[in-house]
Amino acid sequence: GDSVTQTEGLVTLTEGLPVMLNCTYQTIYSNAFLFWYVHYLNESPWLLLRSSTDNKRTEHQGFHATLHKSSSSFHLQKSSAQLSDSALYYCASPTSGGNYKPTFGKGTSLVVHP
Amino acid sequence: EAGVTQSPRYAVLQEGQAVSFWCDPISGHDTLYWYQQPRDQGPQLLVYFRDEAVIDNSQLPSDRFSAVRPKGTNSTLKIQSAKQGDTATYLCASSRTWGGSYEQYFGPGTRLTVL
Repeated sequence: GDSVTQTEGLVTLTEGLPVMLNCTYQTIYSNAFLFWYVHYLNESPWLLLRSSTDNKRTEHQGFHATLHKSSSSFHLQKSSAQLSDSALYYCASPTSGGNYKPTFGKGTSLVVHP
Repeated sequence: EAGVTQSPRYAVLQEGQAVSFWCDPISGHDTLYWYQQPRDQGPQLLVYFRDEAVIDNSQLPSDRFSAVRPKGTNSTLKIQSAKQGDTATYLCASSRTWGGSYEQYFGPGTRLTVL
């Protein structure tokens, strides 16, 4: 079945350094698209980014990601980490197909320190 | 526009007890999802509905878990006889299928502890 694999566990960064969280996926569907959700402590997860067409960059709140079908990837990036970026990040695919069954990665905990 | 609401926010049970979780999705959202999120893991889909119909419940432990959405709006997830392994946060989310967004809006979750 479809699957999503992302950088697992804890990523610790110093404020101001670049952020890159990896996400790769497997699907049999050619028109799959992906999401990045962010989950701050004591809040509900919410959508950070949604993929666009192949090789097109999407941006929101300083984060960006580009869907690369050739490498089945949708890595999350930011040029300069902020303390407020500390959160859990989930890569997810709705499984392009008739029923759009969502699949989430296991999550990456990003901690940004001064 | 009100967000997804869930209740209760917390539940503590002994093994063997039953519990029900309730979810009210965003008005107009036809699709509703229930996830189980064990500590330090990503959300794992249990079941999802489009309107009142179950689309996929293949990951729902059918011997003890059940979920309904009788009028295509609110939904209830029930655990008949809880086990310690059910300890997790249960998230409800909703989305609107038409328009092709598939963006999910999550509720605050119910944190279940089974002793």
